Amino acid sequence: AQRVTQPEKLLSVFKGAPVELKCNYSYSGSPELFWYVQYSRQRLQLLLRHISRESIKGFTADLNKGETSFHLKKPFAQEEDSAMYYCAPLISPNTGTASKLTFGTGTRLQVTL
Amino acid sequence: GAVVSQHPSWVICKSGTSVKIECRSLDFQATTMFWYRQFPKQSLMLMATSNEGSKATYEQGVEKDKFLINHASLTLSTLTVTSAHPEDSSFYICSAPLDSYEQYFGPGTRLTVT
Repeated sequence: AQRVTQPEKLLSVFKGAPVELKCNYSYSGSPELFWYVQYSRQRLQLLLRHISRESIKGFTADLNKGETSFHLKKPFAQEEDSAMYYCAPLISPNTGTASKLTFGTGTRLQVTL
Repeated sequence: GAVVSQHPSWVICKSGTSVKIECRSLDFQATTMFWYRQFPKQSLMLMATSNEGSKATYEQGVEKDKFLINHASLTLSTLTVTSAHPEDSSFYICSAPLDSYEQYFGPGTRLTVT
């Protein structure tokens, strides 16, 4: 079955510690992959996408096709990173059909002092 | 940046009534919009794809007669929850793609059915 898995519901780290939010996918083909973030009482927003290979707010994510993973990493966690993080593949089902985002179950990152 | 709004932000309705939720792209046109549902402390579940000028495409298990979607213009999609019941209480979120990759999300509408 096609799906995306985020194994951790909650990840609690100390400020300054490294962070790794795991994401594994099992979609056929080569889906575009994204990380979205939802801060407290704010709307969902794009954090980064794998095709751009950029670093946003110190976060990076490498697509590993062999392991079908797209883990999100940051070397030093900050308090303001506390939020809900969703791994989301963009699925293009058929020609002429709009591509659509599906979301993993999400991981809540809690950064404490 | 692109902005998507939703109205209302919060609505309470009685069981058996219908409620309409609007989703607008404020500064860009969207031929496609998406509707999601989010239960407390859970992920977003895609309900349907709203298509301007044609019928909406529903995900498996979503009742199209229950959740009516109308994409009235290039900047407006509406979701009508018909004959609402308490189990329909949820957070409904819409999104609109600005380009092939990036989607912008509305702030969500909290529906409470009493």
